[in-house]
Amino acid sequence: EAVLTQSPATLSLSPGERATLSCRASQSISTYLAWYQQKPGRAPRLLIYEASTRATGIPARFRGSGSGTDFTLTISSLEPEDFAVYYCQQRSNWRLTFGGGTKVEI
Amino acid sequence: QVQLQESGPGLVKPSQTLSLTCTVSGDSINSGDYYWGWVRQHPGKGLEWIAHIFYSGDTYHNPSLKSRITISMDPSKNQFSLRLSSVTAADTAVYFCARSMLAAGTPFDFWGQGSLVTVSS
Repeated sequence: EAVLTQSPATLSLSPGERATLSCRASQSISTYLAWYQQKPGRAPRLLIYEASTRATGIPARFRGSGSGTDFTLTISSLEPEDFAVYYCQQRSNWRLTFGGGTKVEI
Repeated sequence: QVQLQESGPGLVKPSQTLSLTCTVSGDSINSGDYYWGWVRQHPGKGLEWIAHIFYSGDTYHNPSLKSRITISMDPSKNQFSLRLSSVTAADTAVYFCARSMLAAGTPFDFWGQGSLVTVSS
């Protein structure tokens, strides 16, 4: 089963700044990676799937990239509503795992 | 718009079985266009996949929980359900039901609001 390691654990930024979040897999997962945003008390929201495809309704400031073992979620210019926790997720051989999360805070 | 809603007891005694149902509206769980799954989140922690089911009846389980999990579906009610046996305090969590795309990686595109289940005597 592929273990996903997210870094950094916390990212302290200001509105308008660029956020770069990393997700590293313990083995190659091709582009079988998704990114989610979660706010307190809410369910996660799908942002990106297949490493770089934005989900329906997701703004263009969210961009996913990478393949194999190294993946990146970039938020080009942070809006106030983007401060949240972000998770990556993969599925290989029906072993589905999530990363530990990156908190983007002001 | 697709909506999912979890229902079930919020309090379960240790050693008993946790039972949750997810009612789906705006989509048919029998269409074969999506998987349907369960994810949980321990208080203040990250996300943990529990299981998936497909319209064909095929099921997929987290190996660490497999011996305790039963996932099933009732197409006549457009519902799918989770049973987790022999619960302990470590099973206290928010349980989410969600729809999964057939895309690579099986991402979850629609989620229920979550149901807090506490295991305590």
